[in-house]
Amino acid sequence: RKEVEQDPGPFNVPEGATVAFNCTYSNSASQSFFWYRQDCRKEPKLLMSVYSSGNEDGRFTAQLNRASQYISLLIRDSKLSDSATYLCVVRGYNKLIFGAGTRLAVHP
Amino acid sequence: NAGVTQTPKFQVLKTGQSMTLQCAQDMNHNSMYWYRQDPGMGLRLIYYSASEGTTDKGEVPNGYNVSRLNKREFSLRLESAAPSQTSVYFCASSEDRKSSYEQYFGPGTRLTVT
Repeated sequence: RKEVEQDPGPFNVPEGATVAFNCTYSNSASQSFFWYRQDCRKEPKLLMSVYSSGNEDGRFTAQLNRASQYISLLIRDSKLSDSATYLCVVRGYNKLIFGAGTRLAVHP
Repeated sequence: NAGVTQTPKFQVLKTGQSMTLQCAQDMNHNSMYWYRQDPGMGLRLIYYSASEGTTDKGEVPNGYNVSRLNKREFSLRLESAAPSQTSVYFCASSEDRKSSYEQYFGPGTRLTVT
């Protein structure tokens, strides 16, 4: 079983739609969680950290469910510029563990 | 600030050839990392360096060596390239303190081994 699992997608949504991604992790001792964004043929960049109480950054909301060991990312009012791959990331000992990513394609 | 820089951007090698991928960061970060990214596999850690003078194996170290030359620079060497090492290689760095685990990535090196 992979340490971090994501649905690879693609999720094809129209502009203005709300879309949600989930990610599961296997190590119940994990303490820190993140979502990274990776544009096509570019490097990954931090989108947001995920806190136990959940957090919001504009149109993006991240939630953590420790009991079920999953993390979610909700994007409201999708824009064409949101098209990218979203990587779920969990911190292990001295390193980050990356999921394979979920691809989002927003169309007009 | 340039952030994290990597050279070269593209490289084609024949099986058995060697090469070194260079990485440098100007953010005064303690930790540096080398990853490879293959379709459907996500980023996999090859080696990392938690501080100047130390290096540790990651998930997929076989066929690679690293050198943390100083605080700024962390190089990755392929001694005898194999087609299975065809991939995109990313270098990253982080402060790695309790308040900040964010990793900053370089633009990547696309390596093809024929």
